[in-house]
Amino acid sequence: GQQVMQIPQYQHVQEGEDFTTYCNSSTTLSNIQWYKQRPGGHPVFLIQLVKSGEVKKQKRLTFQFGEAKKNSSLHITATQTTDVGTYFCASTSGTYKYIFGTGTRLKVLA
Amino acid sequence: SQTIHQWPATLVQPVGSPLSLECTVEGTSNPNLYWYRQAAGRGLQLLFYSVGIGQISSEVPQNLSASRPQDRQFILSSKKLLLSDSGFYLCAWSVGGRETQYFGPGTRLLVL
Repeated sequence: GQQVMQIPQYQHVQEGEDFTTYCNSSTTLSNIQWYKQRPGGHPVFLIQLVKSGEVKKQKRLTFQFGEAKKNSSLHITATQTTDVGTYFCASTSGTYKYIFGTGTRLKVLA
Repeated sequence: SQTIHQWPATLVQPVGSPLSLECTVEGTSNPNLYWYRQAAGRGLQLLFYSVGIGQISSEVPQNLSASRPQDRQFILSSKKLLLSDSGFYLCAWSVGGRETQYFGPGTRLLVL
């Protein structure tokens, strides 16, 4: 079945450093969504990408969908302590099912 | 606006006891509903999803079951809990097949 892998699994950065997480699939994805889960909280939707090569920005966050629609990345510029959490990518499989990536846990050291 | 409720927030249950977790959605009609489980420090495992009343699709064969007695109500049940059922149970809803998923606050279940 469809699987979505994320790397790295963990990332510790100093506050102010940049951070990138990558999402990879062996099959072509119809779309890619990104979620953030704060420690102890529930996943919250950040953004959705659907077009090949699409790039979207939200303040310090930049999201990219690969040209072949098999990978995606989330880049955070100048991390802040509020960026702490686990970032998940997800894609829909079939009509209603969502496949979530394994997640990248980000820790920001002040 | 739409809201999603889950209860209880936390639950400690002995092995072999039954389970019933409830999820309700307000402010939308005919949502797709989902149950996920998240082990500590791990990713999201899809357990069940439903596209309509009485329609349940199971993703992982185990001792859990789900029901959707009303349009905006989704229930997760077990007749006999196992230690491995411990985890963070999240309910989510979406409208349409490729739209945003909105998650409830979750239920932390500890089976002892």
